[in-house]
Amino acid sequence: EPEVTQTPSHQVTQMGQEVILRCVPISNHLYFYWYRQILGQKVEFLVSFYNNEISEKSEIFDDQFSVERPDGSNFTLKIRSTKLEDSAMYFCASSGPPLYTDTQYFGPGTRLTVL
Amino acid sequence: GENVEQHPSTLSVQEGDSAVIKCTYSDSASNYFPWYKQELGKGPQLIIDIRSNVGEKKDQRIAVTLNKTAKHFSLHITETQPEDSAVYFCAASLPSGNTGKLIFGQGTTLQVKP
Repeated sequence: EPEVTQTPSHQVTQMGQEVILRCVPISNHLYFYWYRQILGQKVEFLVSFYNNEISEKSEIFDDQFSVERPDGSNFTLKIRSTKLEDSAMYFCASSGPPLYTDTQYFGPGTRLTVL
Repeated sequence: GENVEQHPSTLSVQEGDSAVIKCTYSDSASNYFPWYKQELGKGPQLIIDIRSNVGEKKDQRIAVTLNKTAKHFSLHITETQPEDSAVYFCAASLPSGNTGKLIFGQGTTLQVKP
C-alpha cells in the first residue's frame, strides 16, 4: 500500500540553525501539506501546497518557514532560523487522485528538537 | 475560522465494551470529517471518514455518525480490544475547492483494559 515517508525521523539542532525536513508524498498525489504537533497537543495545520505554490498558510507559518517541491517526488519544509518553540513533531500529508482529493494520508513524522 | 471541539479528553473502557467520542464543529460549510488514530510515536492514521452528504458510515467495528443540523459527529467503536488503545483525533475540512486543510480536535486518549 502506498505511503508517505519522511526523513529524518529525529532531528536535533541548535537554536538559530536552519533545518530541512523531507517528505516523499504518495505517488500521483497532487496536494501536499505540513502539520505540526507540539508534545501532548493537537495537530496544527501549517501550510498546503498545490500546483507548485502555497494554497494556504497558517499564522504559525511565518517568514522563517518555506516549502518547496524540488523535483517530482520530494516535498520539503525549511525552517531558516530555528527557535526553541519550533520543537515539535512535523507531519507531512498528501492527498489527490485517484482517491478523493480531500482524503489526507500522513507520514510518520519528524521529531524536531531545538536546543 | 473553523473550530473543532472534541470530548472526552480521556476515555477508559473494558475490553468488549463500546467507546464513543464526540466532536462539534463551528463552520457549517465544512463537508468532510475524518477520524485519525495515533499510536505512540507514529503519525495519524486515517481510520474512517464521512462526507456531509452521508449521515452514517460503518466499517467493521467502527462507525461514524454526522448530524449536520447540530454540527456534530461521533466515532463509535464496538467490541473494543486492547489494540484499540491510542489517541483518536477528529477533524473537519471545508470543500476541497478550498485548500483542504484539516482542523483537528484536541484528541481523545482511549484506554481499553483487558
